[in-house]
Amino acid sequence: EDKVVQSPLSLVVHEGDTVTLNCSYEVTNFRSLLWYKQEKKAPTFLFMLTSSGIEKKSGRLSSILDKKELFSILNITATQTGDSAVYLCAEPNFGNEKLTFGTGTRLTIIP
Amino acid sequence: KAGVTQTPRYLIKTRGQQVTLSCSPISGHRSVSWYQQTPGQGLQFLFEYFSETQRNKGNFPGRFSGRQFSNSRSEMNVSTLELGDSALYLCASSTLGHSGNTIYFGEGSWLTVV
Repeated sequence: EDKVVQSPLSLVVHEGDTVTLNCSYEVTNFRSLLWYKQEKKAPTFLFMLTSSGIEKKSGRLSSILDKKELFSILNITATQTGDSAVYLCAEPNFGNEKLTFGTGTRLTIIP
Repeated sequence: KAGVTQTPRYLIKTRGQQVTLSCSPISGHRSVSWYQQTPGQGLQFLFEYFSETQRNKGNFPGRFSGRQFSNSRSEMNVSTLELGDSALYLCASSTLGHSGNTIYFGEGSWLTVV
């Protein structure tokens, strides 16, 4: 069965710091890896990484996929209080849309 | 373009009752999935529908069921509610229903069982 593990489970930093969140996976037939941000509501999509797109960047957020070592990282630079959330990574099963989620990393930004 | 819409947003039920939750996917999306989110278990897959057919089912008891209509709207039903069913139920939709597509979530339905 596919497995996704995230670390750390929680992280508290000061505004302006840079953070790195980790996601490792053990899956068969890898197709893509997804990152989501969840505040007190639905997860909102951040990035999708695939074999043909192993680096993504949007503003202060960026993500890299290492297919050889089976992990991905999510970087957030110059953090702001609005970045406080749970960050989830997930892997869709081959051929369908069943997502296997990691436990998430709870990020808290202190002003 | 409207996002994934779930109703109701909040509800309280009594043990033993049943509940039906509704999900309208993004227009054009044919795959609808359901997830249960609890503090202890995180996000867990319930089932996925594509073109009115259940393609995949998670490890939940038979009290949890769902269906998808011809317009891609989906419902899930939980019968004989238990206290442990209290959770956020999330619906997600995507276009073609195969891995590699971006999956979008609705706001969720908060269910409290008392």
